[in-house]
Amino acid sequence: SQKIEQNSEALNIQEGKTATLTCNYTNYSPAYLQWYRQDPGRGPVFLLLIRENEKEKRKERLKVTFDTTLKQSLFHITASQPADSATYLCAPWGRREGAGSYQLTFGKGTKLSVIP
Amino acid sequence: SQTIHQWPATLVQPVGSPLSLECTVEGTSNPNLYWYRQAAGRGLQLLFYSVGIGQISSEVPQNLSASRPQDRQFILSSKKLLLSDSGFYLCAWSPPPRGYQETQYFGPGTRLLVL
Repeated sequence: SQKIEQNSEALNIQEGKTATLTCNYTNYSPAYLQWYRQDPGRGPVFLLLIRENEKEKRKERLKVTFDTTLKQSLFHITASQPADSATYLCAPWGRREGAGSYQLTFGKGTKLSVIP
Repeated sequence: SQTIHQWPATLVQPVGSPLSLECTVEGTSNPNLYWYRQAAGRGLQLLFYSVGIGQISSEVPQNLSASRPQDRQFILSSKKLLLSDSGFYLCAWSPPPRGYQETQYFGPGTRLLVL
């Protein structure tokens, strides 16, 4: 069945380092993939969208890659800051296996903690 | 600009009681609307989505129902709550048509505790 896996539930890094979060998907061919940030007790906030024909997308200190052969997206935060601490969700958009509908499906997220 | 409202922010209800959560969107027309549930330690689970007034699609069979009586109003209901209905309920909207760069914008959420 369709599965979205984010590399770990929690990731701790030192301030100033680059954080790399991984999103792998199986039994799925998304047309595009999104990344969201979620702070405790709040709704997710959209960060970046990358299409299947794009290899890389950047926005300020954020960079996303999308490898449809590996079925993987990497999310990087360079020069990380304590304010970057949050849970990051990947969300591929495509057709659910065994169903006709297309939808955005969210991974469980990786909780990033940036230590001063 | 567009804004999305949800209320109440927090709700504590006894098992077997009814539920009504409301979501409204401002600043856009004919949005796609979504209800999600996020249980502790779990991902976002899509419950319902709607592409127009009176049009509701259910993703997961359960104890809940949804209605869209107006273009920018989405309501999540239950006749009798179960313990397993506890969680963080999020409403979201996306610009039409559904699926085209479907970036979703989330409301602040309702934390529901069923006792």
